[in-house]
Amino acid sequence: EAQVTQNPRYLITVTGKKLTVTCSQNMNHEYMSWYRQDPGLGLRQIYYSMNVEVTDKGDVPEGYKVSRKEKRNFPLILESPSPNQTSLYFCASSSYPSANTEAFFGQGTRLTVV
Amino acid sequence: KNQVEQSPQSLIILEGKNCTLQCNYTVSPFSNLRWYKQDTGRGPVSLTIMTFSENTKSNGRYTATLDADTKQSSLHITASQLSDSASYICVVSDSNSGYALNFGKGTSLLVTP
Repeated sequence: EAQVTQNPRYLITVTGKKLTVTCSQNMNHEYMSWYRQDPGLGLRQIYYSMNVEVTDKGDVPEGYKVSRKEKRNFPLILESPSPNQTSLYFCASSSYPSANTEAFFGQGTRLTVV
Repeated sequence: KNQVEQSPQSLIILEGKNCTLQCNYTVSPFSNLRWYKQDTGRGPVSLTIMTFSENTKSNGRYTATLDADTKQSSLHITASQLSDSASYICVVSDSNSGYALNFGKGTSLLVTP
């Protein structure tokens, strides 16, 4: 089954404690991205990756890091989480973006930073 | 700045009734427009994708329309079911910025018995 898998689904952490949210896709997609979703704001892109070892900032990259060492994995790293990073996070993947490319989303990770 | 505006913000309808959700956008140059359904706390799931040359597309009881001249789209849901209760998100892609997705804030639909 084609899917994007995020882990963990839920996470509560304390300010400043480094954490990693994993994302894996089994569709051999080149393009992967991370979004955060906050009430009243919709989804906003954090980082994206066009292929292995190629990453770039989205609209809200501050406080986040990513890496793309393998095609299937695109982890999101919070080196020093802060309460304003409490949010619902989604990973997405697609084949190389074009007019008809379908984007698949993971199930989401709800992060609370206290 | 690329923007995607959706209306209404929320909607309550009776089971079995039809409804129409609206999306206006200022994204340029336009590449495609997508409608996603998002159940509470879950990832968005694609309903339709339309390019510039398409003005209507259906997926079961969901029918999307696109007017690229007025930069408007609508999503029509026919014979609503309780399972249609979700947020519906309009997403417009532009071909300049690597086909980046521009998200609307969504319309929250509640279908009641």
